[in-house]
Amino acid sequence: DAKTTQPNSMESNEEEPVHLPCNHSTISGTDYIHWYRQLPSQGPEYVIHGLTSNVNNRMASLAIAEDRKSSTLILHRATLRDAAVYYCILRDVYGGSQGNLIFGKGTKLSVKP
Amino acid sequence: DAGVIQSPRHEVTEMGQEVTLRCKPISGHDYLFWYRQTMMRGLELLIYFNNNVPIDDSGMPEDRFSAKMPNASFSTLKIQPSEPRDSAVYFCASSLLDVMGTGDEAFFGQGTRLTVV
Repeated sequence: DAKTTQPNSMESNEEEPVHLPCNHSTISGTDYIHWYRQLPSQGPEYVIHGLTSNVNNRMASLAIAEDRKSSTLILHRATLRDAAVYYCILRDVYGGSQGNLIFGKGTKLSVKP
Repeated sequence: DAGVIQSPRHEVTEMGQEVTLRCKPISGHDYLFWYRQTMMRGLELLIYFNNNVPIDDSGMPEDRFSAKMPNASFSTLKIQPSEPRDSAVYFCASSLLDVMGTGDEAFFGQGTRLTVV
């Protein structure tokens, strides 16, 4: 399976933007880049996903490098409620691992008031 | 839709007993995932189904674990016999998947916290 690499932890100040990086140098052409987050004592929740183009939704933005070997999740104004573990995942549409959704260790984001 | 529903929310059982965890996916979703989460190992994918058929069960730790999906609206994860090292939070998730990549976010249940004593 294609793998991702994320920093173990990051810190941010409240009200400031946060850029969470993810490397996926072995990404295949049919891998979508997904981001999930897990708040304390809750199940993971979907944040955003994309294939090649940058994506925006009400929660965040996803910036994808032109060669697709890395991506960045952008929280435009961090709040205390954004403190969570953020997971970057590759999800294949085709192939033997079709539909698989494998979580790595993620990045633990701390937000300081 | 009420989302992915898991039961029970908490389960405490004695070593050697059979444990059955239940999951009701979101209606219309064709993928169902079972995960286990511990502090040591993080979030592990145990097995996933597509249209009620198990696709990959390589994450199932051993023969004591089994999972079934008898129909599109129900799945079970069974541990028999249970051991203390099985103590963890077990999550069920469901999603669609289409080649256009639209609408394929996975929705997770609240999890079942299993304690085996």
